[in-house]
Amino acid sequence: DQQVKQNSPSLSVQEGRISILNCDYTNSMFDYFLWYKKYPAEGPTFLISISSIKDKNEDGRFTVFLNKSAKHLSLHIVPSQPGDSAVYFCAASLYNFNKFYFGSGTKLNVKP
Amino acid sequence: AAGVIQSPRHLIKEKRETATLKCYPIPRHDTVYWYQQGPGQDPQFLISFYEKMQSDKGSIPDRFSAQQFSDYHSELNMSSLELGDSALYFCASRGRTGGKGNTEAFFGQGTRLTVV
Repeated sequence: DQQVKQNSPSLSVQEGRISILNCDYTNSMFDYFLWYKKYPAEGPTFLISISSIKDKNEDGRFTVFLNKSAKHLSLHIVPSQPGDSAVYFCAASLYNFNKFYFGSGTKLNVKP
Repeated sequence: AAGVIQSPRHLIKEKRETATLKCYPIPRHDTVYWYQQGPGQDPQFLISFYEKMQSDKGSIPDRFSAQQFSDYHSELNMSSLELGDSALYFCASRGRTGGKGNTEAFFGQGTRLTVV
């Protein structure tokens, strides 16, 4: 049973515009949420995280929003750059961090 | 900064052979995670260790075993390899013991295993 879901397999955005990647989860006990960026044949690279006690976390061009009542989080990238083109994975963890639950990823293409 | 090191980067094995994948975590990280990613699939959790003890287990076949050693590096041993074991195997590490940034896991570059 997939507890973290990314329903959009791909997203195409013009350079300079905003990219919004979405993620839904089913387990209300998740304590932390993370976004990873992945290039082909490389390991996922950590981008940004958010605790379940917050609703927003910002780091440079990346902002993650968490809506606990809707069990939904999103990653905003502003402004989008061609180098942002990659697969973005949403992940979640319980309080004990014994494992991270991953979504299926969204492939972002930022067009010059 | 030091990252998670995985070796080998690429491995080709025949069916029914064995393989050993190694993971060296970031210094002072005491938690290691193993994930398997098949073609076009999301990363699947295999197993995790904290302070050399198994902390959680996912969809890891009985043919696979893993351990974390006293220096915190970890090895994933895979026996009786099958064609379906061909995948990217990622290791990640995390530091639990306080400090900023201990909520995220950092991944290695992965080992691409091809079973022929």
